[in-house]
Amino acid sequence: DAGVIQSPRHEVTEMGQEVTLRCKPISGHNSLFWYRQTMMRGLELLIYFNNNVPIDDSGMPEDRFSAKMPNASFSTLKIQPSEPRDSAVYFCASSVGGIRNTIYFGEGSWLTVV
Amino acid sequence: RKEVEQDPGPFNVPEGATVAFNCTYSNSASQSFFWYRQDCRKEPKLLMSVYSSGNEDGRFTAQLNRASQYISLLIRDSKLSDSATYLCVVNTANQGGKLIFGQGTELSVKP
Repeated sequence: DAGVIQSPRHEVTEMGQEVTLRCKPISGHNSLFWYRQTMMRGLELLIYFNNNVPIDDSGMPEDRFSAKMPNASFSTLKIQPSEPRDSAVYFCASSVGGIRNTIYFGEGSWLTVV
Repeated sequence: RKEVEQDPGPFNVPEGATVAFNCTYSNSASQSFFWYRQDCRKEPKLLMSVYSSGNEDGRFTAQLNRASQYISLLIRDSKLSDSATYLCVVNTANQGGKLIFGQGTELSVKP
């Protein structure tokens, strides 16, 4: 069975450019999460969706970040304009939902902004 | 105060050693608890859930103390392949079910 699929796996971009990260959750999962991981701050929840609806975006760092989930099988995280401090690994994860949900992570998108 | 706090690492232990990781959480309404494992440059993966009565999976034992808001993970007879970062994870119902991860504790098992 396919797991959570993320693209691109690696991206190097120049400061000021727009970055779009993509995620396909596991089929049948109705919760989707975007996390960011850095050495300094660890794994931070940016935003999560239940049934395609954003539930909590309090972790989104600032207006430069936006996330969408137009349907149950696709989500994007966009950074515009990108800055060097956005360099991190961005993980997408999904779960079936519920209090005892186990979430499954994609392999991550490694972003470097120079 | 962070919502989930873990022992600072790294832990460097010889093969065969027993090692314990601790984790505290701040929200008393938290209801579900997990340990995830993350290998270098890989995504986190579920190691085990933590149940109120404590639970064991082979060499791994997880304990929960709700009164003290404390979770632990014990690894017995550690193997080289146990080297990884161990993440304590808490799910709080009154926050819409979002999972909060601790900073992680790095374990290095040496021959």
